[in-house]
Amino acid sequence: DAKTTQPNSMESNEEEPVHLPCNHSTISGTDYIHWYRQLPSQGPEYVIHGLTSNVNNRMASLAIAEDRKSSTLILHRATLRDAAVYYCILKKIRNNAGNMLTFGGGTRLMVKP
Amino acid sequence: DAGVTQSPTHLIKTRGQQVTLRCSPKSGHDTVSWYQQALGQGPQFIFQYYEEEERQRGNFPDRFSGHQFPNYSSELNVNALLLGDSALYLCASRRRSTNEKLFFGSGTQLSVL
Repeated sequence: DAKTTQPNSMESNEEEPVHLPCNHSTISGTDYIHWYRQLPSQGPEYVIHGLTSNVNNRMASLAIAEDRKSSTLILHRATLRDAAVYYCILKKIRNNAGNMLTFGGGTRLMVKP
Repeated sequence: DAGVTQSPTHLIKTRGQQVTLRCSPKSGHDTVSWYQQALGQGPQFIFQYYEEEERQRGNFPDRFSGHQFPNYSSELNVNALLLGDSALYLCASRRRSTNEKLFFGSGTQLSVL
């Protein structure tokens, strides 16, 4: 399975944008790029996912490199509530890929007031 | 909508004992999966259930077993507990007919003494 590489930790100031990088140089054409985050004392929650084009939703934006070997999760204005571990995950397109997500260590985002 | 609910929230067991953890999926969801999260690490996939059968399994020994009931709720059973089984156990659900995101519960914290 293709793997992802993320920095262990990052720091941001409140109300500033945050760019969380993810490298996935061995990604295959059937892999979606998913991002989940895990707030303290909670289970992971879905943030965003994409295949080739950049994606936006109410939580974040996902910028995908043209060669798909890397991506960046963008939080436009970090709040204290965004302090969490962010996981970049590759998941096969086919529906019978089921519920199996392969989590790495993720990036721990710290937000300073 | 209650989301994914898990019980109990915390549990303390002794080595060699057996434990059963419970999960109710989000309303409308028919597939359930279980993850183990050791302290400081990302969640690791244990197995997935739908139509009351185990469909996909991660790299976990047979001591880990499960069940899904007709109402889609699920149990995770762990026999012959080891100290290394101490972890946060997470349940996740989704509707199988779609490729939508996974919803996670807040987990059961298991401590094995």
